[in-house]
Amino acid sequence: AQTVTQSQPEMSVQEAETVTLSCTYDTSESDYYLFWYKQPPSRQMILVIRQEAYKQQNATENRFSVNFQKAAKSFSLKISDSQLGDAAMYFCAFRANFGNEKLTFGTGTRLTIIP
Amino acid sequence: DTGVSQNPRHKITKRGQNVTFRCDPISEHNRLYWYRQTLGQGPEFLTYFQNEAQLEKSRLLSDRFSAERPKGSFSTLEIQRTEQGDSAMYLCASSRDFVGAYNSPLHFGNGTRLTVT
Repeated sequence: AQTVTQSQPEMSVQEAETVTLSCTYDTSESDYYLFWYKQPPSRQMILVIRQEAYKQQNATENRFSVNFQKAAKSFSLKISDSQLGDAAMYFCAFRANFGNEKLTFGTGTRLTIIP
Repeated sequence: DTGVSQNPRHKITKRGQNVTFRCDPISEHNRLYWYRQTLGQGPEFLTYFQNEAQLEKSRLLSDRFSAERPKGSFSTLEIQRTEQGDSAMYLCASSRDFVGAYNSPLHFGNGTRLTVT
């Protein structure tokens, strides 16, 4: 079974600064996907960024980038130039490439942006 | 793309009653998922459909839970003999391709919040 751990229940960052959210996972699989999802207050969860485990290059999406360390089973999210609209719960998630479509989520990190 | 629609948004029921939730996925998406999210936790997988076929079920989905997706369109999730522990947000999601496929993100609905008194 896979587990996903987010050790930071809450984080805050000054507007326009950079923040990094941590995520570690445990799996015996070698081929998998990792994701960061954002859940704004009372709004739908949306995908922020995805990473394929076989790719060594870290994924980037505009101001969002990841630091994927496969050996360490670590998958952190860096948000640059933080904006007020980035305030949300952020969930790290894992999916094994074979066998099922199930996403395993962490417990989330609540990100507050300080104006 | 009108998004994933879930109804009702909120449901309050007494313990022992049956409840049914509906999910309308994005029209061209053949994959549909149900998740449950309790306060302070991430979503937990319940079940997955590809078209009308229910291909995966979590052990969380006890005998009191049943899900259907007739004709591969909308889906319903029914909980029989509700218990207070069933109180949660029930999230539906859909996708065009498998989870993780390029350019095929999982689209979530706003959820149905169930409160069992």
